[in-house]
Amino acid sequence: AQKVTQAQTEISVVEKEDVTLDCVYETRDTTYYLFWYKQPPSGELVFLIRRNSFDEQNEISGRYSWNFQKSTSSFNFTITASQVVDSAVYFCALKSSGGYNKLIFGAGTRLAVHP
Amino acid sequence: DTAVSQTPKYLVTQMGNDKSIKCEQNLGHDTMYWYKQDSKKFLKIMFSYNNKELIINETVPNRFSPKSPDKAHLNLHINSLELGDSAVYFCASSQVRIGELFFGEGSRLTVL
Repeated sequence: AQKVTQAQTEISVVEKEDVTLDCVYETRDTTYYLFWYKQPPSGELVFLIRRNSFDEQNEISGRYSWNFQKSTSSFNFTITASQVVDSAVYFCALKSSGGYNKLIFGAGTRLAVHP
Repeated sequence: DTAVSQTPKYLVTQMGNDKSIKCEQNLGHDTMYWYKQDSKKFLKIMFSYNNKELIINETVPNRFSPKSPDKAHLNLHINSLELGDSAVYFCASSQVRIGELFFGEGSRLTVL
């Protein structure tokens, strides 16, 4: 069975703090893909990143960085110097190599960044 | 140009009514989806179509009937609406092998 766990339901930080959103996944597949999506208060779902299971390099995009560790089945997301505009619900998701792009989502982490 | 567009954005209706949500994508993708997001923000796949063929049906009540007239469109019809159907319904599309899904803005359905 495939599963994504985001243990942090809500996180509250003050602007300029760094914050890490945790994601732990379960799958029996050897090839799979991991994703992060952002859902701001306006409600749309915004794709942030995709990671392949065979590529464990960490990724940085501006203030965003992702740490993929197969040994611990984790794909954590860090926002450096958080801003109020980062306030949103963040979803981690998993897709196996087979099938037709069935994305399994975690329950989401609500991030509130206060001025 | 909106990549994945859904209409209507808001639906308020009475129990027992029938309603439809339309979705269109202009990305040239071959796979489309319907996801349901409940009040706790949990996202769950309902259906997926690949080139107009149903490939995922996640134990959704048969009051829900998707229809894909072509690979750019995937509509969702719901019969005999119930209170528990109140949710935000998201349409999405992807190329099968590429991976990421592109979502529409969502359609908020409220059943009174």
